[in-house]
Amino acid sequence: DTEVTQTPKHLVMGMTNKKSLKCEQHMGHRAMYWYKQKAKKPPELMFVYSYEKLSINESVPSRFSPECPNSSLLNLHLHALQPEDSALYLCASSQVLEGSEQFFGPGTRLTVL
Amino acid sequence: DQQVKQNSPSLSVQEGRISILNCDYTNSMFDYFLWYKKYPAEGPTFLISISSIKDKNEDGRFTVFLNKSAKHLSLHIVPSQPGDSAVYFCAASAGSGNTPLVFGKGTRLSVIA
Repeated sequence: DTEVTQTPKHLVMGMTNKKSLKCEQHMGHRAMYWYKQKAKKPPELMFVYSYEKLSINESVPSRFSPECPNSSLLNLHLHALQPEDSALYLCASSQVLEGSEQFFGPGTRLTVL
Repeated sequence: DQQVKQNSPSLSVQEGRISILNCDYTNSMFDYFLWYKKYPAEGPTFLISISSIKDKNEDGRFTVFLNKSAKHLSLHIVPSQPGDSAVYFCAASAGSGNTPLVFGKGTRLSVIA
């Protein structure tokens, strides 16, 4: 299994809603990532988990709250988002080895109304 | 400050000819370089990588060349096929496998039949 899966594929939410994005991989990778990608821009790193612990937070607003319940799962909890948070949210995973490529999921297309 | 630069936002190539995508970087600490391909509404797909100890890596139709002194790398696709039409991102990392990738802005390749 060389796949990173993400659910849901599409999400539309209001600014007062609470929702969660989910990511799963079964490749035994111990590093997992959340990226945000706006149209015609490269992916921007949000968070990195290494061995289920948050190792990097790229100054992301607290309305985004990551969670890594186990080595296969990564969640991103969303609350009180703004319309400018509408984007494609990508999850990725990799081995914790030098030069390991990151495998990306298909992304969740989020629209905040 | 853009550490990874792809100065050509788009490139058109005739089917069967060679596609050359270029990437420049400024951070001399980068020691792994990767190319990702991205179709609309999908996550990036890993294509090929190269370590800084090499100057060339080949995988089928894809070859990546690295010129460390010039801080430049290029991706060659030969022969180009219509299915290669996508956005190609150059990415770089320094250190261990859970170091975040730094992406270029991407080059949109169109292969014309």
